[in-house]
Amino acid sequence: QVQLVQSGAEVKKPGASVKVSCKASGYTFTSYGISWVRQAPGQGLEWMGWISAYNGNTNYAQKLQGRVTMTTDTSTSTAYMELRSLRSDDTAVYYCASDLTVTKAFDIWGQGTMVTVSS
Amino acid sequence: EIVLTQSPGTLSLSPGERATLSCRASQSVSSSYLAWYQQKPGQAPRLLIYGASSRATGIPDRFSGSGSGTDFTLTISRLEPEDFAVYYCQQYGSSPPAYTFGQGTKLEIK
Repeated sequence: QVQLVQSGAEVKKPGASVKVSCKASGYTFTSYGISWVRQAPGQGLEWMGWISAYNGNTNYAQKLQGRVTMTTDTSTSTAYMELRSLRSDDTAVYYCASDLTVTKAFDIWGQGTMVTVSS
Repeated sequence: EIVLTQSPGTLSLSPGERATLSCRASQSVSSSYLAWYQQKPGQAPRLLIYGASSRATGIPDRFSGSGSGTDFTLTISRLEPEDFAVYYCQQYGSSPPAYTFGQGTKLEIK
């Protein structure tokens, strides 16, 4: 079935980097993009950016420009999100999501990856 | 950047009642690119409505969406126990390309 499966929880120190993976299955990976959305504890959803799995083009949220990099590995149908210079307010659940119906809405989501930033 | 404001912040209703959730945009939004999600504790969001009024696959017909321009509404006609959750609206804008979420409405059992 169509699914996105993410890597496990991470604990990082302030200033470190984290790289979260998102493995797609059940559909043609290179035909769609992958977005990343995060949710701080008890807070709402924040879109972080998007990558085309077809050609690697990216759009990042302005507030994360310079700290985030999104990549894909088409040989394994996996997307990656790397966030650098981590701060305590980066503590959140990070989701990957895709828009398979091409309606600019996310109809498939990963299970989420908890990233905790703490000294 | 378009800001989406959802109201109310919390809505307390009983099973069987009708729920009306509002999403207001700071500037006009394309109806084609307005969506609604449901999120339960510990779970990823679930797409309910896309294109302002189209139900996603498998979504019961008690969920409906409407609106245009800057004002959009999610209506749940008769609440079931499993409908109590947090609901988010989301829009896509192309200049620059970006997605924005509202802050959410918590639907709780009265």
